[in-house]
Amino acid sequence: AQSVTQPDIHITVSEGASLELRCNYSYGATPYLFWYVQSPGQGLQLLLKYFSGDTLVQGIKGFEAEFKRSQSSFNLRKPSVHWSDAAEYFCAVGDTGRRALTFGSGTRLQVQP
Amino acid sequence: KAGVTQTPRYLIKTRGQQVTLSCSPISGHRSVSWYQQTPGQGLQFLFEYFSETQRNKGNFPGRFSGRQFSNSRSEMNVSTLELGDSALYLCASSLATSGGGTQYFGPGTRLTVL
Repeated sequence: AQSVTQPDIHITVSEGASLELRCNYSYGATPYLFWYVQSPGQGLQLLLKYFSGDTLVQGIKGFEAEFKRSQSSFNLRKPSVHWSDAAEYFCAVGDTGRRALTFGSGTRLQVQP
Repeated sequence: KAGVTQTPRYLIKTRGQQVTLSCSPISGHRSVSWYQQTPGQGLQFLFEYFSETQRNKGNFPGRFSGRQFSNSRSEMNVSTLELGDSALYLCASSLATSGGGTQYFGPGTRLTVL
């Protein structure tokens, strides 16, 4: 069965600092990988996705993620965090046979002024 | 294009009642999936509908059911509500027919069971 691990429950960074959120997955074949962001009381907004090809993918709001098959990781990065980035971030893996995403437990990002 | 819409946004019910939630997908999307989000269990897949047929189902009891209409709009129903059913219910729609299709989420329906 597929699974996703986000080891950091809560991260605090200063505004302007760089950010890296970790995501490790377990999946038997080439995975479909996603990062979503959720603001309080809201739904999930897609930041970026990886299906195949270039292992460095660019997303919205200045985010990028790198797929590393050897490490089963798909870490999310941003070079300079803005106060509006404070939210919860979810990594997810999609099954090629079923349209059912498996989510990690999420990482809550707090941004200090 | 309009995004995924869900109605109602908030619901309060009492134990034993039943509830129906509605989801309208992005125009042209034929796949609709439902997820439950709770603080304890996180985001969990409920089921997915494609062309009015349930294609996939998560590990939830039979009290949770759904359907999809010919215009791709979907409803989910929870019967005999329990306190543990209190959650944010998210609907997502997808265009692709393959498993890797990107899912776009609605704002969710917050269900509180008293």
